[in-house]
Amino acid sequence: SQQGEEDPQALSIQEGENATMNCSYKTSINNLQWYRQNSGRGLVHLILIRSNEREKHSGRLRVTLDTSKKSSSLLITASRAADTASYFCATGSYTGTASKLTFGTGTRLQVTL
Amino acid sequence: EAGVAQSPRYKIIEKRQSVAFWCNPISGHATLYWYQQILGQGPKLLIQFQNNGVVDDSQLPKDRFSAERLKGVDSTLKIQPAKLEDSAVYLCASSSGFSDTQYFGPGTRLTVL
Repeated sequence: SQQGEEDPQALSIQEGENATMNCSYKTSINNLQWYRQNSGRGLVHLILIRSNEREKHSGRLRVTLDTSKKSSSLLITASRAADTASYFCATGSYTGTASKLTFGTGTRLQVTL
Repeated sequence: EAGVAQSPRYKIIEKRQSVAFWCNPISGHATLYWYQQILGQGPKLLIQFQNNGVVDDSQLPKDRFSAERLKGVDSTLKIQPAKLEDSAVYLCASSSGFSDTQYFGPGTRLTVL
């Protein structure tokens, strides 16, 4: 089952602009992660934010988490053509001692020159 | 360090045939995951191993899917018999016991005709 719903489903911007993607989820979480998937490739981990954190930065990425609203956002600043990919949020929880991820539906980002 | 390896990368079979996928996780990673990703959707967890043992297989269609992880390292996922709706990318991921981050392989794209 999909935990997260992402918005928008697709986003097209020009190089240099900022891209914002949103993720909403339904149940309590331990952490929330964002992954990128280039066409036909595996997923690459971008950033993890824990449930007791509100904001996190990594390079051109900024993630926010609002546990009261069960939502998160991913901001990519100064986008590049190489950022063209699908972006997935994934909520993390624990099954015993092992962590488990439940992925959202994804946002397809197209960055044009 | 070497990433998660998967083979084959592509497989085309007819319905009712059987197929097997192989995954070699990152060395030392105790947890191994198999996901199914249908076109246009996020990955869905099929089964999660912690060393040799199954942690979660609640979404594995056990009448046709099976998986094993021999000696807590490599893993195989089998489908027998395949149905048209099994057409998807099958992703393998691994994580260490101390991290919530999962590392994904390139996936196997299965087409069932």
